[in-house]
Amino acid sequence: QQPVQSPQAVILREGEDAVINCSSSKALYSVHWYRQKHGEAPVFLMILLKGGEQKGHDKISASFNEKKQQSSLYLTASQLSYSGTYFCGTEIGGYGNKLVFGAGTILRVKS
Amino acid sequence: EPEVTQTPSHQVTQMGQEVILRCVPISNHLYFYWYRQILGQKVEFLVSFYNNEISEKSEIFDDQFSVERPDGSNFTLKIRSTKLEDSAMYFCATQPPRGDNSPLHFGNGTRLTVT
Repeated sequence: QQPVQSPQAVILREGEDAVINCSSSKALYSVHWYRQKHGEAPVFLMILLKGGEQKGHDKISASFNEKKQQSSLYLTASQLSYSGTYFCGTEIGGYGNKLVFGAGTILRVKS
Repeated sequence: EPEVTQTPSHQVTQMGQEVILRCVPISNHLYFYWYRQILGQKVEFLVSFYNNEISEKSEIFDDQFSVERPDGSNFTLKIRSTKLEDSAMYFCATQPPRGDNSPLHFGNGTRLTVT
């Protein structure tokens, strides 16, 4: 039931782009993306609710392909502050049901 | 902006002791969760709580664990007899009444160290 994230880790230089993928074996109600810095709580980035939906703010955006049960997070022109572990959380049973998180993708942005 | 507040931030206890982790949810939130994160690993679901009862619990949430909301505000996680493997960061998360684009709001966590 746990979503599968890829890649496990990625190293970028400032200004480079990255894509993090999240896929599920079950039909999804929603996909949530969070970023966690070491020793801190996960910080909400965005939710995607509908198939084919794309959302974004600043240079971080995401898509959700409901049919393929996949979501991707796009980080463009990365900044040092983007470093952290990115988790996708999938909600299967509808609103108010548990969020199951993937294993995380470690992103490190170097100057 | 309203926050989910967790206390204590760090708890050290001896194996076999009971611990209670506390969470003050955001005031209008109705859905409550506990998650656990062992150092360097993923965030794992423990239990969800709605309308004063457990909605769902994971395999991790065995008889040693319990949750309650005794006074209508604090949401607590109790571990009756701690084991070394209970050492982890415990996050409380809450969610508002149903609505689109309503994420889980995480507290800053309680780091539990069992010695």
